[in-house]
Amino acid sequence: QLQLQESGPGLVKASETLSLTCAVAGGSISDRTFYGGWIRQRPGRGLEWIGNIYYSGSTYYNPSLKSRVTISVDTSKNHLSLQLTSVTAADTALYYCARAKEPTSYDLLTGYLLRSFDIWGRGTMVTVSS
Amino acid sequence: DIQMTQSPSTLSASVGDRVTITCRASQSVSTWLAWYQQKPENAPKLLIYKASSLETGVPSRFSGSGSGTEFTLTISSLQPEDFATYYCQQYYSYSTFGQGTKVEI
Repeated sequence: QLQLQESGPGLVKASETLSLTCAVAGGSISDRTFYGGWIRQRPGRGLEWIGNIYYSGSTYYNPSLKSRVTISVDTSKNHLSLQLTSVTAADTALYYCARAKEPTSYDLLTGYLLRSFDIWGRGTMVTVSS
Repeated sequence: DIQMTQSPSTLSASVGDRVTITCRASQSVSTWLAWYQQKPENAPKLLIYKASSLETGVPSRFSGSGSGTEFTLTISSLQPEDFATYYCQQYYSYSTFGQGTKVEI
């Protein structure tokens, strides 16, 4: 059974870069079927999609965050990574990584491949301090 | 961007009730819609994908329907463990979630 575990610093200073990793256990990111994503939840608020990454390295980002986000995979460590630059207090949130499951939606306008999320990590809380 | 609007925001119900939550999209998302359940201190759990497909292991009292811009999640007979917050997610163009519907006693 695939399991995901997020980790990273719980406190980041404003204007700096937030870096998180998501360790994948019980399966390989190198598997040609692997597709994962990051989602966040600000305190007392709903869910916000950050972006997805396919096993091939293809990435798909929320346009509102695209200029600041990088999602990558490290197959040697079997983990996903999230980097968010120039953070502000508005980036304070619980960050989740998740596996995205078939079937896949293909967005003709953007070329994005999109899915729902069936396996989630427990999340890691990040607070941005001023 | 496609906006997802859920109604109601809060729903008061009793065990055994039939519960319906609605999710409306600002433009058509075909059937590329999922429903999640989230309990306090827990990650969301996938219930329904592709508008009406029940995720493996999810009780059959949960069902989803709809296409285009209007979708519903129905719980046929509410159980004590179903008191939670429910979110819809479209994954037709980028991906966006609804604001959530809290089901409470």
